Amino acid sequence: GAGVSQTPSNKVTEKGKYVELRCDPISGHTALYWYRQSLGQGPEFLIYFQGTGAADDSGLPNDRFFAVRPEGSVSTLKIQRTERGDSAVYLCASSRDLQRTGSTGELFFGEGSRLTVL
Amino acid sequence: QQQVKQSPQSLIVQKGGISIINCAYENTAFDYFPWYQQFPGKGPALLIAIRPDVSEKKEGRFTISFNKSAKQFSLHIMDSQPGDSATYFCAATFDFGNEKLTFGTGTRLTIIP
Repeated sequence: GAGVSQTPSNKVTEKGKYVELRCDPISGHTALYWYRQSLGQGPEFLIYFQGTGAADDSGLPNDRFFAVRPEGSVSTLKIQRTERGDSAVYLCASSRDLQRTGSTGELFFGEGSRLTVL
Repeated sequence: QQQVKQSPQSLIVQKGGISIINCAYENTAFDYFPWYQQFPGKGPALLIAIRPDVSEKKEGRFTISFNKSAKQFSLHIMDSQPGDSATYFCAATFDFGNEKLTFGTGTRLTIIP
């Protein structure tokens, strides 16, 4: 498909476990974002990659959260020692190269990974 | 700190009517204001966006009205249709082209026949 792909779509885990959420952005999009959406709330920014590097990780709530994008395409959000408060839908989005003219300012979101921590 | 306040939380409009959703922001450095539409089980999708150098932008049945002095902007959906039933989020960012968005809390819109 041509859209942003996220796996798994659903993940149920126990408190204290480690989880990984994967995002495959639209081909050619160099910017990649992770957002978290709690029930009844708007998406909340977590981290942004431009290429392979994390350009802004100011939204990560604490050091249990970490994200990588080693080859500038697929990204993995990693959560250690999960807590019940981590339960949410984790959204990944990508956009065109911000350095080029013609950026529309549009984020293309995936359908999200729903994480439930029991 | 909630930087973008959205109202109402939910809205029911009759088919053919006008749906109006309002947002207010606090930070005057914001310079790009998009609206996103989200259907259940899907990610948000960009609907329409505005920059503060214009007071209104219209795309089909969707219009953004922007009041810079009041730090408010609103989405108007004309001739609302059942297919418009979704959750709508306003958002704002500091730097056009930087999609680190601050979202509102969302409005669940239901269009009834």
